[in-house]
Amino acid sequence: AQSVAQPEDQVNVAEGNPLTVKCTYSVSGNPYLFWYVQYPNRGLQFLLKYITGDNLVKGSYGFEAEFNKSQTSFHLKKPSALVSDSALYFCAVRPDTGGFKTIFGAGTRLFVKA
Amino acid sequence: DGGITQSPKYLFRKEGQNVTLSCEQNLNHDAMYWYRQDPGQGLRLIYYSQIVNDFQKGDIAEGYSVSREKKESFPLTVTSAQKNPTAFYLCASSINPGHGYTFGSGTRLTVV
Repeated sequence: AQSVAQPEDQVNVAEGNPLTVKCTYSVSGNPYLFWYVQYPNRGLQFLLKYITGDNLVKGSYGFEAEFNKSQTSFHLKKPSALVSDSALYFCAVRPDTGGFKTIFGAGTRLFVKA
Repeated sequence: DGGITQSPKYLFRKEGQNVTLSCEQNLNHDAMYWYRQDPGQGLRLIYYSQIVNDFQKGDIAEGYSVSREKKESFPLTVTSAQKNPTAFYLCASSINPGHGYTFGSGTRLTVV
């Protein structure tokens, strides 16, 4: 079965430190990969995507993600965390087998301490 | 500005009632989706529609119904057959698989 795993329910970092939110997937072929962020009682906002090309993808608000095909991972990173980055982050994968369905991970809550 | 509008923001349902959640988009996107979000479970797909007058069941369609009479609108009805409807409901749209989703701000449904 196709799946997306975010192994950490919560990630805690100090402001100014680098952060990583992990994502691995089990999807055949060459899927499209996405990261979204959700603030309390709001919808999800698109952060970045990987379709093809450079393995390091840059997105909104200083976030970037590193694609590793051999490890089927797509980890979200930021060099210097801000308190305002505290939110719920979702990794998502859309198989390239046609159709419009996307599989979401369970989400990782990021808490940045001042 | 283009976007997706969900209404109402909060909705309370009595036992045995059907309720309808509205989702309207002005992005000219072909595909629209309904997701349910429960704490710790991420997003689960209820229904999706790729074109007008066509829609498909997602992973948890039981107890829900949808219609897609216009490109802009994709309302979701939570029927009395849905035994545990309390959740946060998210509507989304996309123009094609490579562009990702645009989400509405959600409707929080509570059974009273």
